[in-house]
Amino acid sequence: AQTVTQSQPEMSVQEAETVTLSCTYDTSESDYYLFWYKQPPSRQMILVIRQEAYKQQNATENRFSVNFQKAAKSFSLKISDSQLGDAAMYFCAYDSNYQLIWGAGTKLIIKP
Amino acid sequence: DTGVSQDPRHKITKRGQNVTFRCDPISEHNRLYWYRQTLGQGPEFLTYFQNEAQLEKSRLLSDRFSAERPKGSFSTLEIQRTEQGDSAMYLCASSSGLSDNEQFFGPGTRLTVL
Repeated sequence: AQTVTQSQPEMSVQEAETVTLSCTYDTSESDYYLFWYKQPPSRQMILVIRQEAYKQQNATENRFSVNFQKAAKSFSLKISDSQLGDAAMYFCAYDSNYQLIWGAGTKLIIKP
Repeated sequence: DTGVSQDPRHKITKRGQNVTFRCDPISEHNRLYWYRQTLGQGPEFLTYFQNEAQLEKSRLLSDRFSAERPKGSFSTLEIQRTEQGDSAMYLCASSSGLSDNEQFFGPGTRLTVL
């Protein structure tokens, strides 16, 4: 069965600095999607970035980028120039036959 | 805004009562998902519809839980004989069925069972 592990329950970063959130997963499939979702306090889940496994190039969306290491089954999220609005729970998710398998989340704190 | 909506946003009920939640997906999306999220955890998959057909159900979905999506539009999730362990956020998401399967989430219904 597929599993997703986020080993950092909480991370903090100074505003304008860079932070990296870790995610590892386990699967026997060769093609799949990985996602990072953001859940601000009392607000709904929104997609931050996605990566398709067969694409070797790491996905980038403005200040957000991933480091996808397929062989190591690692999918970390880098947030550059951190802003106060980035404070949220961040969830890594694996797409398994259209249901998402989720990690436990990392709470990101931005220090002004 | 034509995003995913859920009703009610909050529900407090007594143990043993039945509750029903509604989800309205993005109108052109044919896939609809229900997840349950407990405090401090990631969401857990409950069930998935493609149009009106319920294609997958998690083992988490006991016989007290039932979900429907009549006519492939809105969906309802009913919990019968609620238990304190059912207290959680119930999230609904929809997707268009494209290969990347980006799921769009509603605000959730927070259930508290006393």
